[in-house]
Amino acid sequence: GAVVSQHPSRVICKSGTSVKIECRSLDFQATTMFWYRQFPKKSLMLMATSNEGSKATYEQGVEKDKFLINHASLTLSTLTVTSAHPEDSSFYICSARDREGVIQYFGAGTRLSVL
Amino acid sequence: GEDVEQSLFLSVREGDSSVINCTYTDSSSTYLYWYKQEPGAGLQLLTYIFSNMDMKQDQRLTVLLNKKDKHLSLRIADTQTGDSAIYFCAEIALDSSYKLIFGSGTRLLVRP
Repeated sequence: GAVVSQHPSRVICKSGTSVKIECRSLDFQATTMFWYRQFPKKSLMLMATSNEGSKATYEQGVEKDKFLINHASLTLSTLTVTSAHPEDSSFYICSARDREGVIQYFGAGTRLSVL
Repeated sequence: GEDVEQSLFLSVREGDSSVINCTYTDSSSTYLYWYKQEPGAGLQLLTYIFSNMDMKQDQRLTVLLNKKDKHLSLRIADTQTGDSAIYFCAEIALDSSYKLIFGSGTRLLVRP
């Protein structure tokens, strides 16, 4: 199957700093990528849909100024958690949709811990 | 809107078959997926099925779809300890967003 690389896998930062997470599709071009947040023992919560060359579409209740998404190329989307606080600590996962649109391939996730 | 539901927990003995169930609400043609998540990892696509199919088999995995009852199941034959994980059922949104609607996940525990 297709490969999606997510980096970093783990980050620990101080409160007030910003953290950037990268999501790359390694062997296919992804016009659409998705960013999810997962709380312990819970399902995935879609945060936003990232479209190459256009603004991201955020789900209700997700602060777009807090979670900045950039999708500058067909293989790279980034999520920046700005001015992170302890409540932003979570597991963030990205996915990329293949060209036919029916399959999403997931990255390995990023564990963010804000002290 | 679409909704996907799963039972939360399943425990089986190694070597037995596991059956994980899922129900969905959308009545139109759709794709349905099974993903596996191991601790601390992302989601691995196991298999998917289009709603005009009744069954799909891939090695130890068998997916059964009852479209009338909107019921999807994943059967794992000869379950191994390495199959212990969370299994998510998902359905694709019918609008142009291609969003996945996930169930709550079923935690499968395989006892030696």
